[in-house]
Amino acid sequence: KNQVEQSPQSLIILEGKNCTLQCNYTVSPFSNLRWYKQDTGRGPVSLTIMTFSENTKSNGRYTATLDADTKQSSLHITASQLSDSASYICVVSEPTLTFGKGTMLLVSP
Amino acid sequence: DAGITQSPRYKITETGRQVTLMCHQTWSHSYMFWYRQDLGHGLRLIYYSAAADITDKGEVPDGYVVSRSKTENFPLTLESATRSQTSVYFCASRGNGLYNEQFFGPGTRLTVL
Repeated sequence: KNQVEQSPQSLIILEGKNCTLQCNYTVSPFSNLRWYKQDTGRGPVSLTIMTFSENTKSNGRYTATLDADTKQSSLHITASQLSDSASYICVVSEPTLTFGKGTMLLVSP
Repeated sequence: DAGITQSPRYKITETGRQVTLMCHQTWSHSYMFWYRQDLGHGLRLIYYSAAADITDKGEVPDGYVVSRSKTENFPLTLESATRSQTSVYFCASRGNGLYNEQFFGPGTRLTVL
């Protein structure tokens, strides 16, 4: 059973708009929470890594937040670009990685 | 210097045949991992290795064999391929620290007929 749940499963937004992806997890305890971006036909690439004591971490237009009390994380993408079209995967490290199924984002011109 | 590479990128085989997927990394990372990715599932860990000659099972190890005689290589063998092993396989590596980034290879798409 998957202990990392992501929503929505898929999302379409217009170029330039912002969006927020959600991740709920039940894995406990854990050492860190990661967000990966996976382009079609490629391996995942790390966007952010947060320890359980961190609340937010930014990487350019990507900002991840973590609420360890509610066991929720979000990934906010600002001013989306066509190149942001990809699957975004939430991963909890405990220490092997437990992957969510991902949110497929399509940025439309 | 490509970092982490996988070969072949695509493979079609038949049920019952032995298949070996190769993974090579140039960073001298201690840890290496094999995952499979299927529709409707997140990436699932097959096997991992903490160092040369040290391997351990992950979530879905049945039907797979690994070895790690050299730090840079981590081959995955399907001894008798089954259709349920049709998947995309990713190799990954990271350094020793728990917070170290895990780097993924480009993947191998395997089809078992």
